[in-house]
Amino acid sequence: AQSVTQLGSHVSVSEGALVLLRCNYSSSVPPYLFWYVQYPNQGLQLLLKYTSAATLVKGINGFEAEFKKSETSFHLTKPSAHMSDAAEYFCAVISQGGKLIFGQGTELSVKP
Amino acid sequence: NAGVTQTPKFQVLKTGQSMTLQCAQDMNHNSMYWYRQDPGMGLRLIYYSASEGTTDKGEVPNGYNVSRLNKREFSLRLESAAPSQTSVYFCAVGVSGIYNEQFFGPGTRLTVL
Repeated sequence: AQSVTQLGSHVSVSEGALVLLRCNYSSSVPPYLFWYVQYPNQGLQLLLKYTSAATLVKGINGFEAEFKKSETSFHLTKPSAHMSDAAEYFCAVISQGGKLIFGQGTELSVKP
Repeated sequence: NAGVTQTPKFQVLKTGQSMTLQCAQDMNHNSMYWYRQDPGMGLRLIYYSASEGTTDKGEVPNGYNVSRLNKREFSLRLESAAPSQTSVYFCAVGVSGIYNEQFFGPGTRLTVL
Protein backbone atom coordinates (compact mmCIF):
# COMPACT_ATOMS: atom_id res chain seq x y z
CA ALA A 1 0.00 0.00 0.00
CA GLN A 2 1.14 3.52 -0.72
CA SER A 3 2.00 5.94 2.08
CA VAL A 4 3.98 9.10 2.74
CA THR A 5 5.84 10.26 5.81
CA GLN A 6 6.75 13.87 6.43
CA LEU A 7 9.73 14.33 8.70
CA GLY A 8 9.18 17.17 11.13
CA SER A 9 5.79 18.54 12.04
CA HIS A 10 7.23 22.03 12.35
CA VAL A 11 10.11 23.74 10.54
CA SER A 12 11.32 27.25 11.26
CA VAL A 13 13.63 29.24 8.98
CA SER A 14 14.79 32.82 8.72
CA GLU A 15 13.68 35.00 5.85
CA GLY A 16 16.11 34.48 2.96
CA ALA A 17 17.25 31.06 4.16
CA LEU A 18 16.85 27.75 2.37
CA VAL A 19 13.59 25.93 2.89
CA LEU A 20 13.77 22.12 3.02
CA LEU A 21 10.67 20.08 3.81
CA ARG A 22 11.14 16.33 3.84
CA CYS A 23 8.84 13.65 2.45
CA ASN A 24 9.50 9.95 2.08
CA TYR A 25 7.13 7.64 0.29
CA SER A 26 6.35 3.97 0.23
CA SER A 27 4.94 2.49 -2.93
CA SER A 28 5.01 -0.87 -4.67
CA VAL A 29 4.45 0.80 -8.04
CA PRO A 30 5.94 3.94 -9.62
CA PRO A 31 4.37 6.70 -7.55
CA TYR A 32 2.59 9.88 -8.51
CA LEU A 33 3.52 12.43 -5.85
CA PHE A 34 2.22 15.85 -4.93
CA TRP A 35 2.99 18.76 -2.66
CA TYR A 36 0.11 20.93 -1.48
CA VAL A 37 0.22 24.15 0.53
CA GLN A 38 -2.41 25.37 2.97
CA TYR A 39 -2.35 29.01 4.01
CA PRO A 40 -4.11 29.90 7.28
CA ASN A 41 -7.87 29.41 7.14
CA GLN A 42 -7.81 28.33 3.50
CA GLY A 43 -8.12 25.14 1.50
CA LEU A 44 -5.24 23.23 -0.03
CA GLN A 45 -3.53 24.49 -3.17
CA LEU A 46 -1.39 22.36 -5.47
CA LEU A 47 2.28 23.41 -5.42
CA LEU A 48 3.69 20.80 -7.76
CA LYS A 49 3.37 17.21 -8.89
CA TYR A 50 5.66 14.37 -9.98
CA THR A 51 4.32 12.22 -12.78
CA SER A 52 7.54 10.48 -13.90
CA ALA A 53 8.27 12.91 -16.76
CA ALA A 54 11.24 14.52 -14.95
CA THR A 55 12.84 13.92 -11.57
CA LEU A 56 13.20 17.64 -10.77
CA VAL A 57 9.82 19.27 -10.66
CA LYS A 58 9.28 23.01 -10.51
CA GLY A 59 6.17 24.43 -8.94
CA ILE A 60 4.59 27.74 -8.10
CA ASN A 61 6.11 30.45 -5.89
CA GLY A 62 9.71 29.30 -6.51
CA PHE A 63 9.32 25.85 -4.97
CA GLU A 64 10.75 22.70 -6.47
CA ALA A 65 11.03 19.05 -5.50
CA GLU A 66 13.32 16.25 -6.57
CA PHE A 67 12.19 12.67 -6.92
CA LYS A 68 14.89 10.25 -5.74
CA LYS A 69 13.91 6.64 -6.23
CA SER A 70 16.99 5.28 -4.46
CA GLU A 71 16.07 7.24 -1.34
CA THR A 72 12.27 6.97 -1.78
CA SER A 73 12.16 10.71 -1.22
CA PHE A 74 10.40 13.72 -2.67
CA HIS A 75 11.72 16.65 -0.63
CA LEU A 76 10.43 20.18 -1.22
CA THR A 77 12.91 23.07 -1.43
CA LYS A 78 13.02 26.78 -2.01
CA PRO A 79 16.34 28.67 -2.15
CA SER A 80 15.18 31.76 -0.27
CA ALA A 81 12.24 31.88 2.13
CA HIS A 82 9.76 34.74 2.12
CA MET A 83 7.47 35.68 4.96
CA SER A 84 4.55 34.81 2.68
CA ASP A 85 5.73 31.17 2.57
CA ALA A 86 4.54 30.60 6.13
CA ALA A 87 1.90 27.89 5.80
CA GLU A 88 1.32 24.18 6.25
CA TYR A 89 2.68 21.87 3.57
CA PHE A 90 1.38 18.42 2.73
CA CYS A 91 3.02 15.68 0.74
CA ALA A 92 0.66 13.18 -0.92
CA VAL A 93 0.78 10.05 -3.07
CA ILE A 94 -1.83 8.49 -5.32
CA SER A 95 -2.96 5.09 -4.08
CA GLN A 96 -3.55 2.14 -6.38
CA GLY A 97 -7.26 2.88 -5.97
CA GLY A 98 -6.69 6.35 -7.39
CA LYS A 99 -7.16 8.21 -4.12
CA LEU A 100 -4.80 10.73 -2.52
CA ILE A 101 -2.97 9.61 0.61
CA PHE A 102 -1.67 12.57 2.63
CA GLY A 103 1.21 12.92 5.01
CA GLN A 104 0.71 14.46 8.42
CA GLY A 105 1.76 17.92 7.29
CA THR A 106 4.68 20.23 8.10
CA GLU A 107 4.07 23.72 9.39
CA LEU A 108 6.61 26.20 8.06
CA SER A 109 7.38 29.34 10.06
CA VAL A 110 9.48 32.15 8.59
CA LYS A 111 11.23 34.52 10.97
CA PRO A 112 12.08 38.09 9.93
CA ASN B 1 -15.27 30.50 -12.09
CA ALA B 2 -15.71 29.83 -8.41
CA GLY B 3 -14.05 26.40 -8.64
CA VAL B 4 -15.14 24.52 -5.51
CA THR B 5 -17.48 26.18 -3.02
CA GLN B 6 -18.51 24.98 0.41
CA THR B 7 -21.26 26.10 2.77
CA PRO B 8 -21.34 26.95 5.58
CA LYS B 9 -17.88 28.26 6.48
CA PHE B 10 -18.43 27.80 10.21
CA GLN B 11 -20.92 25.81 12.27
CA VAL B 12 -21.42 25.02 15.92
CA LEU B 13 -23.63 22.07 16.82
CA LYS B 14 -24.71 20.42 20.02
CA THR B 15 -24.19 16.70 20.48
CA GLY B 16 -26.95 14.79 18.71
CA GLN B 17 -27.90 17.51 16.27
CA SER B 18 -27.80 16.89 12.54
CA MET B 19 -26.53 18.99 9.68
CA THR B 20 -25.55 18.83 6.03
CA LEU B 21 -22.40 20.30 4.56
CA GLN B 22 -22.78 21.42 0.99
CA CYS B 23 -20.19 21.31 -1.79
CA ALA B 24 -20.57 22.50 -5.36
CA GLN B 25 -18.18 22.68 -8.30
CA ASP B 26 -18.21 24.42 -11.64
CA MET B 27 -15.16 22.57 -12.99
CA ASN B 28 -17.17 19.85 -14.78
CA HIS B 29 -15.13 16.98 -13.31
CA ASN B 30 -16.57 13.65 -12.32
CA SER B 31 -14.79 12.83 -9.07
CA MET B 32 -15.60 14.53 -5.78
CA TYR B 33 -14.29 13.89 -2.28
CA TRP B 34 -14.93 14.74 1.35
CA TYR B 35 -12.02 14.93 3.78
CA ARG B 36 -11.62 15.86 7.39
CA GLN B 37 -8.53 17.59 8.72
CA ASP B 38 -7.39 17.16 12.30
CA PRO B 39 -4.17 18.47 13.86
CA GLY B 40 -1.21 16.16 13.28
CA MET B 41 -3.23 13.73 11.16
CA GLY B 42 -3.19 15.32 7.74
CA LEU B 43 -6.34 14.88 5.67
CA ARG B 44 -8.37 11.71 5.91
CA LEU B 45 -10.87 10.64 3.28
CA ILE B 46 -14.44 10.25 4.51
CA TYR B 47 -16.34 9.45 1.31
CA TYR B 48 -15.84 9.93 -2.38
CA SER B 49 -17.87 9.84 -5.56
CA ALA B 50 -16.27 8.74 -8.81
CA SER B 51 -19.22 9.95 -10.84
CA GLU B 52 -22.81 11.09 -10.56
CA GLY B 53 -24.88 8.41 -8.89
CA THR B 54 -21.99 6.56 -7.22
CA THR B 55 -20.47 6.94 -3.76
CA ASP B 56 -17.93 4.91 -1.81
CA LYS B 57 -16.51 4.86 1.68
CA GLY B 58 -13.10 6.22 2.43
CA GLU B 59 -10.88 5.79 5.45
CA VAL B 60 -13.18 7.26 8.12
CA PRO B 61 -16.85 6.97 7.02
CA ASN B 62 -18.49 6.14 10.36
CA GLY B 63 -21.03 8.72 11.46
CA TYR B 64 -21.39 10.27 8.01
CA ASN B 65 -23.55 9.88 4.93
CA VAL B 66 -23.19 11.46 1.51
CA SER B 67 -25.33 12.30 -1.48
CA ARG B 68 -24.13 12.98 -4.99
CA LEU B 69 -27.10 15.02 -6.09
CA ASN B 70 -25.84 15.67 -9.60
CA LYS B 71 -22.50 16.23 -11.30
CA ARG B 72 -22.02 19.59 -9.57
CA GLU B 73 -23.05 18.84 -5.98
CA PHE B 74 -21.82 16.46 -3.30
CA SER B 75 -23.17 16.82 0.23
CA LEU B 76 -21.99 15.36 3.54
CA ARG B 77 -24.49 14.69 6.31
CA LEU B 78 -23.95 14.19 10.00
CA GLU B 79 -27.08 12.50 11.35
CA SER B 80 -26.22 12.71 15.04
CA ALA B 81 -23.18 14.86 15.66
CA ALA B 82 -20.59 13.83 18.25
CA PRO B 83 -17.70 15.84 19.74
CA SER B 84 -15.27 13.52 17.89
CA GLN B 85 -16.58 15.03 14.66
CA THR B 86 -15.23 18.45 15.57
CA SER B 87 -12.91 19.11 12.65
CA VAL B 88 -12.34 21.08 9.47
CA TYR B 89 -14.07 19.50 6.49
CA PHE B 90 -12.83 19.90 2.93
CA CYS B 91 -14.50 19.05 -0.31
CA ALA B 92 -12.29 18.35 -3.32
CA VAL B 93 -12.78 17.76 -7.02
CA GLY B 94 -10.57 15.34 -8.90
CA VAL B 95 -9.31 16.03 -12.41
CA SER B 96 -10.12 13.16 -14.71
CA GLY B 97 -7.12 11.10 -15.71
CA ILE B 98 -4.44 8.94 -14.16
CA TYR B 99 -2.81 11.61 -12.01
CA ASN B 100 -6.03 12.54 -10.21
CA GLU B 101 -4.89 16.01 -9.23
CA GLN B 102 -7.44 17.45 -6.82
CA PHE B 103 -8.74 20.96 -6.25
CA PHE B 104 -9.99 21.88 -2.81
CA GLY B 105 -12.73 24.07 -1.45
CA PRO B 106 -12.12 26.60 1.36
CA GLY B 107 -13.37 24.29 4.10
CA THR B 108 -16.05 24.19 6.79
CA ARG B 109 -14.96 24.52 10.40
CA LEU B 110 -17.32 22.44 12.56
CA THR B 111 -17.44 22.41 16.33
CA VAL B 112 -19.61 19.90 18.19
CA LEU B 113 -20.21 20.74 21.83
